[in-house]
Amino acid sequence: ETGVTQSPTHLIKTRGQQVTLRCSSQSGHNTVSWYQQALGQGPQFIFQYYREEENGRGNFPPRFSGLQFPNYSSELNVNALELDDSALYLCASSFVGEISGNTIYFGEGSWLTVV
Amino acid sequence: DQQVKQNSPSLSVQEGRISILNCDYTNSMFDYFLWYKKYPAEGPTFLISISSIKDKNEDGRFTVFLNKTAKHLSLHIVPSQPGDSAVYFCAASPTDSWGKLQFGAGTQVVVTP
Repeated sequence: ETGVTQSPTHLIKTRGQQVTLRCSSQSGHNTVSWYQQALGQGPQFIFQYYREEENGRGNFPPRFSGLQFPNYSSELNVNALELDDSALYLCASSFVGEISGNTIYFGEGSWLTVV
Repeated sequence: DQQVKQNSPSLSVQEGRISILNCDYTNSMFDYFLWYKKYPAEGPTFLISISSIKDKNEDGRFTVFLNKTAKHLSLHIVPSQPGDSAVYFCAASPTDSWGKLQFGAGTQVVVTP
C-alpha cells in the first residue's frame, strides 16, 4: 500500500471526448506528478504540480492539463481525446521541501481506452 | 530522446540464483536513481534508490550499484524468488527537478523453478 489512490481504475471514452482522472497523494506529500504509460513502454512524465501550480511539463500538448488542490490531491484532464491517448495513467506523490524526500510512490493507475 | 535505457527487454533466471538488471543513462544532470517493480494491471512499486554520492545501496535481497563514470547502474536480486517475476523499471531524476522521473523501457524478469 503506497497511500496513493487513483480513480477511476478503468474507463472507455470516445475520440474527441474529454476525461478527468483523479489522484489522492500520500499523507505528508505535497507534490503530485502524472505519467502516461503506453503498452510495452516505460512511463512518460506528463507534468508535476507543487503548491497548486504546474511545476514542470514533459513533451505533452496543452490539451493535457491538471489541477492540484489545497489538500494536495490532483486531477489530470485530457481534452479532444485521440486514439493514441489510450494508456495507463499513473499518479506519483512525493515530498519537496528543504529536505526533499528520497522516495516517490505511485498509485495503481487509471486505464483509459479511447475508441 | 531516450535518456534512460534498459537494453535487455527480458531476463530469465532460475529460482535461488542472482538476477542482474542493467540500466544506462546519458544525462549527467541525473543524480538520483530509483528502481521499480511492476506487475500487470498494477502501479509501479518502489524497490530501492541510490543517490549519486553513493556507489552502492542495499536493502534486503536488493542491491543497486552506481558507476557515475560509465553512467551505468545495476540492480542485483539475490536470491531470486518466483514472486520476483515482473517488469523492472529504472528511473532517474535530477535533484533540482525532484519527482520528474525519466524511465527506461523496462526489463521483464521471469524466475523459473
